[in-house]
Amino acid sequence: NAGVTQTPKFQVLKTGQSMTLQCAQDMNHEYMSWYRQDPGMGLRLIHYSVGAGITDQGEVPNGYNVSRSTTEDFPLRLLSAAPSQTSVYFCASRAPAAGLYGYTFGSGTRLTVV
Amino acid sequence: GDSVTQMEGPVTLSEEAFLTINCTYTATGYPSLFWYVQYPGEGLQLLLKATKADDKGSNKGFEATYRKETTSFHLEKGSVQVSDSAVYFCALSGSNDYKLSFGAGTTVTVRA
Repeated sequence: NAGVTQTPKFQVLKTGQSMTLQCAQDMNHEYMSWYRQDPGMGLRLIHYSVGAGITDQGEVPNGYNVSRSTTEDFPLRLLSAAPSQTSVYFCASRAPAAGLYGYTFGSGTRLTVV
Repeated sequence: GDSVTQMEGPVTLSEEAFLTINCTYTATGYPSLFWYVQYPGEGLQLLLKATKADDKGSNKGFEATYRKETTSFHLEKGSVQVSDSAVYFCALSGSNDYKLSFGAGTTVTVRA
């Protein structure tokens, strides 16, 4: 099925560990982005990409790295996990005209850092 | 910068009741406005959208009208069902076309 696929769905990390959250889309969307969802705060943008080889920071980029080597994939890396990074992470993609098509979201990764 | 303010709830309703969730926004120019819905354990799904003033978005019995004069995009449904229990997010795509600005989300629970 066409859409945005995120893995893993759940992850528990110890403080200081690193990991990569995977995101892949098969809709040939140029724009991809990562959000984190925290209670009472809606979703906040971490990083985004407007195409292969191009990334930029969002509202809350500290502690996260991204790269975009292909149109399909946009992994999010936590270099040294901290309890403050406990959250639900969503990857999203869209066609160029956001107003016409909106964004397509993955099902999320629930991360707990202990 | 762009921002969205929505009624936080939680909101608890009986089946067939009328639902309204208020959403107001701050943005320059003419943003596109969205309502997303998140069912328990799932990701966000686009519920409806509007791209210009006075547009009405509608889907699954939900409606919202883009009101530029009041900078609002309130969500309404005339008769809710238990299956409408979810978290609803108001969002806009504005001056920064690469970003969606979200409200805090409103948890809606519908009881049989």
